Amino acid sequence: GNSVTQMEGPVTLSEEAFLTINCTYTATGYPSLFWYVQYPGEGLQLLLKATKADDKGSNKGFEATYRKETTSFHLEKGSVQVSDSAVYFCALSPREYGNKLVFGAGTILRVKS
Amino acid sequence: DAGVIQSPRHEVTEMGQEVTLRCKPISGHDYLFWYRQTMMRGLELLIYFNNNVPIDDSGMPEDRFSAKMPNASFSTLKIQPSEPRDSAVYFCASSFGQGALETQYFGPGTRLLVL
Repeated sequence: GNSVTQMEGPVTLSEEAFLTINCTYTATGYPSLFWYVQYPGEGLQLLLKATKADDKGSNKGFEATYRKETTSFHLEKGSVQVSDSAVYFCALSPREYGNKLVFGAGTILRVKS
Repeated sequence: DAGVIQSPRHEVTEMGQEVTLRCKPISGHDYLFWYRQTMMRGLELLIYFNNNVPIDDSGMPEDRFSAKMPNASFSTLKIQPSEPRDSAVYFCASSFGQGALETQYFGPGTRLLVL
């Protein structure tokens, strides 16, 4: 089946610290991979995506690389800000299911000033 | 662009009552998705439509849940009768075009509490 596993949170960091949120997946075939972010009281927003092995998605200082050999798509940012505090969701879209997204459980990130 | 619009934003009801959640997708989008978010189960896809036609409703929990899309600019998710375990945040999302690459745009959600 198709599933996504994320590291449990909450992750608490000081401003300007380095961020890594781990994400691994199980899928049939070669899915597309996504990171969505949910700010308090809002819906999810696409943060970045990658469609094939070794692709790197990047946006707003965040990046993630599609690693087929380790079935991973870890999210990183070199220097977090208080405004990055949110819930981060890793997701995959199995190619055989078109637009359907399978989400991980989400990881809460808290950044302290 | 107004984005995906959902109403109501908050709903409190009593067990056994009918609940109707509403969604207006982004104009021109041809896919519409309904999700449910709970602490226990995370974010689950309930049903999605393409050009107003339901494509996959395998995530709909049971017969108490129903969804319709009478036209390209409106969809409803109905729960009848509602139960306390239906308490969750319900999100609507829309996208344009077919394929795994298309970005889904989420609405702000409806927070439902069934007492």
